[in-house]
Amino acid sequence: KAGVTQTPRYLIKTRGQQVTLSCSPISGHRSVSWYQQTPGQGLQFLFEYFSETQRNKGNFPGRFSGRQFSNSRSEMNVSTLELGDSALYLCASSLHKYQETQYFGPGTRLLVL
Amino acid sequence: DAKTTQPPSMDCAEGRAANLPCNHSTISGNEYVYWYRQIHSQGPQYIIHGLKNNETNEMASLIITEDRKSSTLILPHATLRDTAVYYCIVRAQNYGGSQGNLIFGKGTKLSVKP
Repeated sequence: KAGVTQTPRYLIKTRGQQVTLSCSPISGHRSVSWYQQTPGQGLQFLFEYFSETQRNKGNFPGRFSGRQFSNSRSEMNVSTLELGDSALYLCASSLHKYQETQYFGPGTRLLVL
Repeated sequence: DAKTTQPPSMDCAEGRAANLPCNHSTISGNEYVYWYRQIHSQGPQYIIHGLKNNETNEMASLIITEDRKSSTLILPHATLRDTAVYYCIVRAQNYGGSQGNLIFGKGTKLSVKP
């Protein structure tokens, strides 16, 4: 079974631009979570989606948003990019059941110049 | 803040067992302990998880103390490919239909040496 896929893998943007990242979960997985990883803050939870609804949200500004489609694929968007948004953005999928394991994709590395 | 405490780094000789400790003294009764590892710049890889009983799979064993305040991840025969940052995570509780997000700490950087 194919794992979690994320596109693009690498991205360079400039301050003020916006960016959209895509995540395709493992087949049959219906829950998708997003995480940001930076050298200073480590791995931090952004948000979780299930059934096209945001179920949980981390402590990030409103510039960070996401959505989930009916096929469980998810996108996250960051508007008005700042230098500090440079990070590895990770997507994880799981079956939507209690304490189901989250499986991570390879991530999208975003560099903001 | 992370609910776990891990040593920042450890070394292990190739072929020997690697024992990675984790302290989670404030764990709640229905919170699970998860272990993930991250090889440089890749996505975290799930290793194992448990509630209160010891667990074993093809990758590792997880030993949880009876009071559940600490645990140890054991890689029985470490190889160079096991060099990675290992994260011990207490899974946040479910609420409002959420699965509960993973709260990552700084982890332990394990270096396996020939």
